[in-house]
Amino acid sequence: DQQVKQNSPSLSVQEGRISILNCDYTNSMFDYFLWYKKYPAEGPTFLISISSIKDKNEDGRFTVFLNKSAKHLSLHIVPSQPGDSAVYFCAASAWGYQKVTFGTGTKLQVIP
Amino acid sequence: DGGITQSPKYLFRKEGQNVTLSCEQNLNHDAMYWYRQDPGQGLRLIYYSQIVNDFQKGDIAEGYSVSREKKESFPLTVTSAQKNPTAFYLCASSEQGLNTEAFFGQGTRLTVV
Repeated sequence: DQQVKQNSPSLSVQEGRISILNCDYTNSMFDYFLWYKKYPAEGPTFLISISSIKDKNEDGRFTVFLNKSAKHLSLHIVPSQPGDSAVYFCAASAWGYQKVTFGTGTKLQVIP
Repeated sequence: DGGITQSPKYLFRKEGQNVTLSCEQNLNHDAMYWYRQDPGQGLRLIYYSQIVNDFQKGDIAEGYSVSREKKESFPLTVTSAQKNPTAFYLCASSEQGLNTEAFFGQGTRLTVV
């Protein structure tokens, strides 16, 4: 049972445009969400997070939006740069639980 | 520099052999984790440890074993009981448990032939 879903395995965007990566979850207990970026043959690196008490969090070019009623979050990258090309993982956890559940990842390609 | 180190980066083993993957961190983190990545499967939690001398099974613990004798170290043994051991293994650590940012190592690519 995939509790965190990233339904788009890949996404291509032109440099300078907006990249929108989507993530859906099914467990209503999740209250903390994270995005990680991963290059091939490397470990993921933390990008941005959001708590369920907020619906938006920004960090430079990266913004995460959370829609709790729809159990949906999205990561916006503006403007997209070629160096953003990587696999992006959405992850979710619940207070009191001892583990984070990861999505299957979306491979972003930013075309120069 | 502080960080988390996995070794080796690539590992080859014959089927039926146990193999141990190393994970060391100097971030003074209490919590450490092992994940496995397979194509199209995301990251799946194998084992985690919140404190020295204590660890818990994750979602796919069968065929794996761990130890946490020191705060800095969390080795993972892939036993011969693991049916599909070929994968990319990632170790991570965090300060307070999984509701905070986790720092990942570079990963170990294990190939069993």
